[in-house]
Amino acid sequence: KNEVEQSPQNLTAQEGEFITINCSYSVGISALHWLQQHPGGGIVSLFMLSSGKKKHGRLIATINIQEKHSSLHITASHPRDSAVYICAVPSGTYKYIFGTGTRLKVLA
Amino acid sequence: EPEVTQTPSHQVTQMGQEVILRCVPISNHLYFYWYRQILGQKVEFLVSFYNNEISEKSEIFDDQFSVERPDGSNFTLKIRSTKLEDSAMYFCASSEGAGDTQYFGPGTRLTVL
Repeated sequence: KNEVEQSPQNLTAQEGEFITINCSYSVGISALHWLQQHPGGGIVSLFMLSSGKKKHGRLIATINIQEKHSSLHITASHPRDSAVYICAVPSGTYKYIFGTGTRLKVLA
Repeated sequence: EPEVTQTPSHQVTQMGQEVILRCVPISNHLYFYWYRQILGQKVEFLVSFYNNEISEKSEIFDDQFSVERPDGSNFTLKIRSTKLEDSAMYFCASSEGAGDTQYFGPGTRLTVL
């Protein structure tokens, strides 16, 4: 069983739709990292959060440490949001364990 | 904004050849990492490095792999004798402290023929 599970694996949305990507994990953590992987492969950090909610522009991330669940929401989605969204959790002191990613495609 | 850089962006090599992937972490960061992503799979941890020594490594990081910080700015991953299955995207990351947010470089796509 994967320690970090994401759903859905693939998501196609129309421009303007509200999008939710979910991440569940089985390990105990103090924080969770949401990342965006562009079609060219580069990884960009979106949020690191340990409780509650964080907002940056049209992106909102929430986490419930007790339930071991986090969500990433995108409001008013746009084709430029098309990417793979990955959640990663620290494992021990030094490394991240990555989810399998959610491939998002937003159609104009 | 400071960023992690990696060179080259794409490396093509013949099976059995040695490759060195280079990374320049963010300047005040003390912890350095290598990850890899085989096409279509999730990102996997390879190794972490602190204070000029390996602090943790995965089972993937066997004797064919080594890491080095040859000077004050570069952090390198060497694969001694590449195999076809080493073809992947390799990401370098750095963090200020242990457990802090890791910042990723753009990756090096390694193709072994």
